[in-house]
Amino acid sequence: GAVVSQHPSRVICKSGTSVKIECRSLDFQATTMFWYRQFPKQSLMLMATSNEGSKATYEQGVEKDKFLINHASLTLSTLTVTSAHPEDSSFYICSARRPAGGYTFGSGTRLTVV
Amino acid sequence: EDKVVQSPLSLVVHEGDTVTLNCSYEVTNFRSLLWYKQEKKAPTFLFMLTSSGIEKKSGRLSSILDKKELFSILNITATQTGDSAIYLCAVEEEYGNKLVFGAGTILRVKS
Repeated sequence: GAVVSQHPSRVICKSGTSVKIECRSLDFQATTMFWYRQFPKQSLMLMATSNEGSKATYEQGVEKDKFLINHASLTLSTLTVTSAHPEDSSFYICSARRPAGGYTFGSGTRLTVV
Repeated sequence: EDKVVQSPLSLVVHEGDTVTLNCSYEVTNFRSLLWYKQEKKAPTFLFMLTSSGIEKKSGRLSSILDKKELFSILNITATQTGDSAIYLCAVEEEYGNKLVFGAGTILRVKS
């Protein structure tokens, strides 16, 4: 139980375009989801906390207009990387807090901007 | 500011060796400490620790928390090449419901 599905697993886009990443909780309701970014051989950096029905809370240094987060339902949060540039290339992972405690992670999205 | 520090940052051992990974933290309103293993994709859950001095075990892995010294260790005995991964330590705050991650320890087990 407590599965989080993230899609797509890999995306390549052209510089200047926007990319949407979806994160779904499959068998539980997640009022809060988290979006992380991870560079090669580094740890997960929290970008923002996504709250269902309200605005996301962004960590210091993360551009709100660049990384748009929408959490319109109890099972879906989306991260849109707008006007992507090569420096946005990274591994993006979402997670959700399980009702019984602990956190489940999505399988991640490898974004490459060319 | 909340902080989680892992050591060593990387480690190379031979199969059969025992390794100890360290995690120290400074977090206001501590709720729990979690260990994850990450290979190529998403981190997979290993342990969640909330109480001091109680060892948690799963096969060759074990972990313990010291809330007085603000410290946890993850032990892996009789290491195998499949243990090669990044091991992440994260601390959960009582309020705010979020995880603060350490930098991770990259473990490589050579055959």
